[in-house]
Amino acid sequence: DIQLTQSPAFLSASIGDRVTITCRASQGISGYLAWYQQKPGKVPRLLIYAASTLQSGVPSRFSGSGSETDFTLTITSLQPEDFATYYCQQLNSYPLTFGGGTKVEIK
Amino acid sequence: QVQLVESGGGVVQPGRSLRLSCAASGFTFSHNNMHWVRQAPGKGLEWLAVISYDGNNKKSADSVKGRFTISRDNSLDTLYLQMNSLRPEDTAVYLCARGETYRHPFDIWGQGTMVTVSS
Repeated sequence: DIQLTQSPAFLSASIGDRVTITCRASQGISGYLAWYQQKPGKVPRLLIYAASTLQSGVPSRFSGSGSETDFTLTITSLQPEDFATYYCQQLNSYPLTFGGGTKVEIK
Repeated sequence: QVQLVESGGGVVQPGRSLRLSCAASGFTFSHNNMHWVRQAPGKGLEWLAVISYDGNNKKSADSVKGRFTISRDNSLDTLYLQMNSLRPEDTAVYLCARGETYRHPFDIWGQGTMVTVSS
């Protein structure tokens, strides 16, 4: 199975900060990586797929990059509505797996 | 509008069974692969199973293989998860999600249904 390791697990940031979350795969997954945002009590929301493609309706301050084993989610200017937990997911092979999550909190 | 609505959750004793349903609307259900995902209280997301658009291909996680079965009825636009031999560690919110096709991300999620396994 492909393991996904997200870092950091927790991140404290201020409004306007640039935030970067990384996701490392235990083996190459080409570009088959997605990022989701989940707010407390809500279901996950797709932000980015194919490593760098922004889902329709997602603000352009979100961006993704990477390939094979190393991926990054960047939020260029953190907004109040961005405080949430973020998960990466590999779609390259079954069983599909998620990273452990990164909780972005207000500093 | 496009939505998925799960039902069937509840409190069940260890070793018993439960069947979850996920009703789809607003899109052509029979054209899309579908998945089940769960989230234990305070924990992350765990992928459980996928079924192809026509029901002919299925995959599942080792943690539920042999106990949980994914199925669908395209005439009813409904996805199912039959859960047998339930364990306390199966306690979670169960979510269905649309994955369209192979290697496609989950772009539509249901609101989830809570399953609690406890004596």
